[in-house]
Amino acid sequence: KQEVTQIPAALSVPEGENLVLNCSFTDSAIYNLQWFRQDPGKGLTSLLLIQSSQREQTSGRLNASLDKSSGRSTLYIAASQPGDSATYLCAVLTGANSKLTFGKGITLSVRP
Amino acid sequence: NAGVTQTPKFQVLKTGQSMTLQCAQDMNHEYMSWYRQDPGMGLRLIHYSVGAGITDQGEVPNGYNVSRSTTEDFPLRLLSAAPSQTSVYFCASSSAWGQPQHFGDGTRLSIL
Repeated sequence: KQEVTQIPAALSVPEGENLVLNCSFTDSAIYNLQWFRQDPGKGLTSLLLIQSSQREQTSGRLNASLDKSSGRSTLYIAASQPGDSATYLCAVLTGANSKLTFGKGITLSVRP
Repeated sequence: NAGVTQTPKFQVLKTGQSMTLQCAQDMNHEYMSWYRQDPGMGLRLIHYSVGAGITDQGEVPNGYNVSRSTTEDFPLRLLSAAPSQTSVYFCASSSAWGQPQHFGDGTRLSIL
């Protein structure tokens, strides 16, 4: 059974810092990995999707990397801003259906 | 551009009552899913559909029914509500398997 772990559960940083959010998964036979952002009281917004054959994806100040063999992904946020405060979840797609397995998320607070 | 629309946003039920959570998407997506999000548990897949007329069970299907008569709609029915079903329910859709999932804003359900 696939398990996805995100540690730590919460993180507080001052504005302007570059930061890395970690995600690990137990079964390396994944199809892809997605990073999501969730604001309080809202649904999930897809940030980046990395296919299993890819090493990284970039969107603006966000860069996600994937090391499938070691079961790890990182989300790099450059020059963090208070507006980046949210919960970040990673999810892996496994199997011949739309079964996403989610981590519990990292709640990020960026202090002005 | 509505995306994925969930109704109602909030609902309070008494134990034993039944209700239907509505989900509609206007993106002509084939894949639709229902998740529940509980503190400390992350998101868990309840049921999913790969197209009209086709549904299957996810990780936690007990107590819930789904049907998919049209591409646009994927309602989730609680047959006899129990306090353990108190949760936030999210509907998601994607254009095809392996593509980014689009989430609704959720239905916050409390069962007394």
